[in-house]
Amino acid sequence: EAGVTQSPTHLIKTRGQQATLRCSPISGHTSVYWYQQALGLGLQFLLWYDEGEERNRGNFPPRFSGRQFPNYSSELNVNALELEDSALYLCASSFRNNQPQHFGDGTRLSIL
Amino acid sequence: KNEVEQSPQNLTAQEGEFITINCSYSVGISALHWLQQHPGGGIVSLFMLSSGKKKHGRLIATINIQEKHSSLHITASHPRDSAVYICAVPGYSGGGADGLTFGKGTHLIIQP
Repeated sequence: EAGVTQSPTHLIKTRGQQATLRCSPISGHTSVYWYQQALGLGLQFLLWYDEGEERNRGNFPPRFSGRQFPNYSSELNVNALELEDSALYLCASSFRNNQPQHFGDGTRLSIL
Repeated sequence: KNEVEQSPQNLTAQEGEFITINCSYSVGISALHWLQQHPGGGIVSLFMLSSGKKKHGRLIATINIQEKHSSLHITASHPRDSAVYICAVPGYSGGGADGLTFGKGTHLIIQP
């Protein structure tokens, strides 16, 4: 069984640009979660998608957005990039809400 | 909002030692996760438990719902166990509707 896959592995952008990160969940999983792990801040919940809808978001500004496609894959978009957006972005999927979450290897976003 | 405290923050031990990592949370939950993160960032979900004890190989996780406390034990520790161990709970009581709230992690080093 293929695990959660994220792309790209690394992404380098400059301030003000936009970044798009992608996530493919485990087959059969309908819930996708996005987390940010910034240096010194630990893991923080960003967004939760289920059945194509955004169900909840963490304490992040609106320039963090995303969507979930009919095949349950997901995109995270970050607009107007700021230096503090440099972080590891992790995607996780689960069969349903409140089931074990399986994590991808993450996308490391660096803002120059 | 659920608050998660982990201890110790750092732990260095000799190969073969019995390791215990503790996690306390503030709001009653339906289940708690233990995660392992190796250098490079990839996260592996070790356990999701809602009561009692679970065992997988040399890893044992216990939870006391009344005391809002969980422990992760590693028996016969080995250098390959060196990693950051993270405790995570639903953001609010009940289901994972808010994504997970994470402890700051325990950085474990097992010396040969």
